[in-house]
Amino acid sequence: GAVVSQHPSRVICKSGTSVKIECRSLDFQATTMFWYRQFPKQSLMLMATSNEGSKATYEQGVEKDKFLINHASLTLSTLTVTSAHPEDSSFYICSAFTGVNYGYTFGSGTRLTVV
Amino acid sequence: AQSVTQLDSQVPVFEEAPVELRCNYSSSVSVYLFWYVQYPNQGLQLLLKYLSGSTLVKGINGFEAEFNKSQTSFHLRKPSVHISDTAEYFCAVSDLGGSNYKLTFGKGTLLTVNP
Repeated sequence: GAVVSQHPSRVICKSGTSVKIECRSLDFQATTMFWYRQFPKQSLMLMATSNEGSKATYEQGVEKDKFLINHASLTLSTLTVTSAHPEDSSFYICSAFTGVNYGYTFGSGTRLTVV
Repeated sequence: AQSVTQLDSQVPVFEEAPVELRCNYSSSVSVYLFWYVQYPNQGLQLLLKYLSGSTLVKGINGFEAEFNKSQTSFHLRKPSVHISDTAEYFCAVSDLGGSNYKLTFGKGTLLTVNP
């Protein structure tokens, strides 16, 4: 139980284009989801917290107009990287809070390469 | 605010040797503690978690951890490692609700098991 499906696993896009990453909770309802960015050989950096039906809460230093997060339903949250640049290339991971007993479930990550 | 310190960035060990990955945390409130494992280009998999109760927590793949409140530690141990345990390990802390369920991660420890 408590599976989070993240797509795509890899994407290559041209500089200036936008990319959407989806995160779906398959067998539970995720009222709170998190988006992380991970640089090579580094830890996960929390970008934002999304709550179903409300605006995402962004961490300090994260550009909300560049990283658009939508959590329109209890099973889907999306991260759109707008006007992507090479410096946005990274590994992006979503996570859902599954309740006190289970904790957190992570997606399998998306490797974004902007060329 | 809460923080996590993983004292070792890399831990090389030989196969079948015991291993301990160290984790210390700081928080002004009661916390819940987690250990996750990450294989290359994948998301995070939960190894074990401490929410309450017995301070010795057993997880998957033969791992266990001990919560020590006085030393604010949550070290991960395995009595005999396998080559397949080679991965990045992250310790994380949450106050489960106080900060909108945010997880704070340590910088990670790369465990390399050599034959």
